[in-house]
Amino acid sequence: KAGVTQTPRYLIKTRGQQVTLSCSPISGHRSVSWYQQTPGQGLQFLFEYFSETQRNKGNFPGRFSGRQFSNSRSEMNVSTLELGDSALYLCASSLMTDGEQFFGPGTRLTVL
Amino acid sequence: DQQVKQNSPSLSVQEGRISILNCDYTNSMFDYFLWYKKYPAEGPTFLISISSIKDKNEDGRFTVFLNKSAKHLSLHIVPSQPGDSAVYFCAASPSGNQFYFGTGTSLTVIP
Repeated sequence: KAGVTQTPRYLIKTRGQQVTLSCSPISGHRSVSWYQQTPGQGLQFLFEYFSETQRNKGNFPGRFSGRQFSNSRSEMNVSTLELGDSALYLCASSLMTDGEQFFGPGTRLTVL
Repeated sequence: DQQVKQNSPSLSVQEGRISILNCDYTNSMFDYFLWYKKYPAEGPTFLISISSIKDKNEDGRFTVFLNKSAKHLSLHIVPSQPGDSAVYFCAASPSGNQFYFGTGTSLTVIP
């Protein structure tokens, strides 16, 4: 069974731009969560989608948004990029909303 | 506000000895805990979990201990192997899928 895939793997943007990251969960998984990983803060929860509905949201500004499609694929969008948004963005999928999460390899975003 | 804390950023252990990684949390509503292992350039992989109804869970060389009164959990790896060298994250959830992660502990197992 294929694992969680994330595209692109690496991205370089400049301040003020916007970016969209994509995540394809494991087949059959309906829950997708997004995390931001930075050296100082570790893994921080962004939001979770289940069956196209946002179920939980972390403490991030409104510039961070997401959505989930009917095939459970999810996208995360960050608008008006700031230098501090440079991070590894990970998505994780799980079968149900309360279960073991399987992580993708992440998208490394660099904001210049 | 960091609700899950891993106060040791790094740990070095000799091969064959025990590795003990610690994690503290502040939210008494957390009732499900996990440990993840992360190699460079890869996403975290699930290692072991424990729910608040138990105080110990064992899976091969990995054992997680939970002390609810102290709001503390630990991961024991016995015996430690060089392939265990990675960053280990603990995570906690108040049920549901919103997990709070620690900042990670980088384990180096010296051959």
